[in-house]
Amino acid sequence: QSALTQPASVSGSPGQSITISCTGTSSDVGSYNHVSWYQQHPGKAPKLMIYEGSKRPSGVSIRFSGSKSGNTASLTISGLQAEDEADYYCCSYAGSSTYVFGSGTRVTVL
Amino acid sequence: QVHLQESGPGLVKPSGTLSLTCAVSGGSISSSSWWSWVRQPPGKGLEWIGEIYHSGSTNYNPSLKSRVTMSVDKSKNHFSLNLNSLTAADTAVYYCARVDTSRFDPWGQGTLVTVSS
Repeated sequence: QSALTQPASVSGSPGQSITISCTGTSSDVGSYNHVSWYQQHPGKAPKLMIYEGSKRPSGVSIRFSGSKSGNTASLTISGLQAEDEADYYCCSYAGSSTYVFGSGTRVTVL
Repeated sequence: QVHLQESGPGLVKPSGTLSLTCAVSGGSISSSSWWSWVRQPPGKGLEWIGEIYHSGSTNYNPSLKSRVTMSVDKSKNHFSLNLNSLTAADTAVYYCARVDTSRFDPWGQGTLVTVSS
């Protein structure tokens, strides 16, 4: 069970849109519609941002959206803001009642 | 609104056992949710450790399965993690979280456990 692959870092200017990829296999991301995304600010606990691939929990900004194609899930942040600077992790159900997290992506707002 | 709070020793010796508890407030541990542990070594990513249901059913990460035991105490509305045969590689912030339809939410604030003599 290897960690899902994410780019180590993504950056963008305020107002721009960025996309973070999360690549797994046909045994996890590709087989289930159970990909979630978490935002983590330094020293803080992760916060759920997207679940079931594209659903937003109550209270999460509409600037955050999720999608999936094949073995790759994506998180898009539109209208990038300074407060979006954080680490982001994807997570997928991996079958046999197990979960696997992504390697994490540091988002920098230039 | 459910709130989770981890507690336990911050320092454990190599080859010893880590024991943490996650107290659940604002809701019942006997709900239809699973309850999970996730850890994060300093400066590194998240790793799923396992989960437990109020019935006592468990699911563990295959890479940690031989060293992990989880339990639930419905009378105290909390669940626990035991991890044995510790090495420095087990040094991490340990989080508890509720799992509902594959979404981890909410999370506890996390507790740092250092494995050192």
